[in-house]
Amino acid sequence: RKEVEQDPGPFNVPEGATVAFNCTYSNSASQSFFWYRQDCRKEPKLLMSVYSSGNEDGRFTAQLNRASQYISLLIRDSKLSDSATYLCVVKPISGGYNKLIFGAGTRLAVHP
Amino acid sequence: NAGVTQTPKFQVLKTGQSMTLQCAQDMNHEYMSWYRQDPGMGLRLIHYSVGAGITDQGEVPNGYNVSRSTTEDFPLRLLSAAPSQTSVYFCASSSGTGGTNTEAFFGQGTRLTVV
Repeated sequence: RKEVEQDPGPFNVPEGATVAFNCTYSNSASQSFFWYRQDCRKEPKLLMSVYSSGNEDGRFTAQLNRASQYISLLIRDSKLSDSATYLCVVKPISGGYNKLIFGAGTRLAVHP
Repeated sequence: NAGVTQTPKFQVLKTGQSMTLQCAQDMNHEYMSWYRQDPGMGLRLIHYSVGAGITDQGEVPNGYNVSRSTTEDFPLRLLSAAPSQTSVYFCASSSGTGGTNTEAFFGQGTRLTVV
């Protein structure tokens, strides 16, 4: 079983739609959680960290459910520019190093 | 405002050749790492470093060597290239120990093909 699992998609949605991505992780001792965005043939970039109480950044809302080992990302009012692959990233407890475990990503395509 | 710089961006190697992927960061980050990204898989950690002179293996270290003689540079060496090493390679750097507010910054990637 992969340590971080995501639905690969693609999710094809019209502009203005609300779309949600889910991610599950296997290590219950995981410490920190993130969503990264990766445009086609580009490097990953941090979209947002995920806090235990849930957090929002504009049109993006991230939720964490530690009991179910589940992370979600909700995008409201989708824009064409949101088209990208969204990577769920988990940091297990492993000493002092920033060792990140990446999911394979969920691809989003927003169309006019 | 360079951030993390990787060279080359593209490379084709013949089986058995060796090469070095360069990575440099100008943010004075202690932590640097190399990942490979293959279709349908998440980024997988090859090697990492927690500071100059200190390196360790990640999830998929076989066939790769690293060194960290300065804070800024973290080259990745392919010892004897194999077709299985065809991939996109990313170098990343970060400060801190990976808490919720720690961001990893990535280079633009190196697309390597081994024929």
